[in-house]
Amino acid sequence: GQQVMQIPQYQHVQEGEDFTTYCNSSTTLSNIQWYKQRPGGHPVFLIQLVKSGEVKKQKRLTFQFGEAKKNSSLHITATQTTDVGTYFCAGLSGNTPLVFGKGTRLSVIA
Amino acid sequence: KAGVTQTPRYLIKTRGQQVTLSCSPISGHRSVSWYQQTPGQGLQFLFEYFSETQRNKGNFPGRFSGRQFSNSRSEMNVSTLELGDSALYLCASSPRVTSGDEQFFGPGTRLTVL
Repeated sequence: GQQVMQIPQYQHVQEGEDFTTYCNSSTTLSNIQWYKQRPGGHPVFLIQLVKSGEVKKQKRLTFQFGEAKKNSSLHITATQTTDVGTYFCAGLSGNTPLVFGKGTRLSVIA
Repeated sequence: KAGVTQTPRYLIKTRGQQVTLSCSPISGHRSVSWYQQTPGQGLQFLFEYFSETQRNKGNFPGRFSGRQFSNSRSEMNVSTLELGDSALYLCASSPRVTSGDEQFFGPGTRLTVL
């Protein structure tokens, strides 16, 4: 079945450093979604990408969807302590349900 | 608009017992999905219901079942609980206008099996 792999599993950064998490799918995706889960919280939708090569920005966050629609990345510029949490990608392919990656847990050291 | 609500928030059960978890979606949302979240496995899809019909089912044993009511509220049931069923169970709703709608998650039910 479809698999979505996400790396790294953990990332510790100093406040102000950049952070990137990568997502790779075993199949071509119709769209990919990104979610953030704060410690003790629940996943919250960040963004959805649907077009090949699409790039979207939300303030310090930049999301990319690969040309082949099988990979995606989330880049945070100049991390802040408020960025702490686990970032999940979730891929959709055909009529199958969303498949979530295992997430990247980001720690930011002030 | 009120968010997705789940009850109970915390539950402690012993092996062999059964449990029923409840989810009320955002008003107007007709799709409800259930996920199991554990530290090692991340978010694993259990099932999705839309207009009282199960649309998709994840790779979980038959001990896990669910249903959706005409008001879109959903319940999931786990019978003959095992220690490995300890997890955070998340419910998510979406309007399901298209298959790629964002998921709105509830706070989850933390199930501990002793």
